[in-house]
Amino acid sequence: KAGVTQTPRYLIKTRGQQVTLSCSPISGHRSVSWYQQTPGQGLQFLFEYFSETQRNKGNFPGRFSGRQFSNSRSEMNVSTLELGDSALYLCASSLGGEEPQHFGDGTRLSIL
Amino acid sequence: EDQVTQSPEALRLQEGESSSLNCSYTVSGLRGLFWYRQDPGKGPEFLFTLYSAGEEKEKERLKATLTKKESFLHITAPKPEDSATYLCAPSEGGFQKLVFGTGTRLLVSP
Repeated sequence: KAGVTQTPRYLIKTRGQQVTLSCSPISGHRSVSWYQQTPGQGLQFLFEYFSETQRNKGNFPGRFSGRQFSNSRSEMNVSTLELGDSALYLCASSLGGEEPQHFGDGTRLSIL
Repeated sequence: EDQVTQSPEALRLQEGESSSLNCSYTVSGLRGLFWYRQDPGKGPEFLFTLYSAGEEKEKERLKATLTKKESFLHITAPKPEDSATYLCAPSEGGFQKLVFGTGTRLLVSP
């Protein structure tokens, strides 16, 4: 069974640009969550989508947005990139409810 | 404010030397607590879900327990392949919004 797939694995951008990251969940999973991981702050919740609707949102500025498509694939967009946005962005999918989240290996975003 | 504290930050063990990792939390509306392990360059890998105080789960050399304010991950007779960062994550409100601790980096030497 294929796991969560995130593309691209690595990305380098400059300040002020925008970026879109992609996540393909495990087949049958309708919940997709996004997290930011940095050495100082650890893993921080960004948002969760279920059946194309955002159900939960973390404490991140509006520059961070996401969406989910009818096939449960999800994208995350960050606009007006700042140096502090350099991080590993992780996507996790779940069947929802009490089921655990399963993570992809992330997209490492570096801002120059 | 929801907080999750894991201790110790780092732990070095000899192969076969048992120990415990701690996760203390203050999360409103706790629905469950999840344990993950993360290897360098990889995403977290799911280990356990605990739903209520007193619950225990076991998997190979690992056993997770839960009280109202903390969870423990007991590692019995660890092997070098158990070396990883172990993360605990209570869920806030719904099950899908996890609040992660900063983890315990475990190194098991042969």
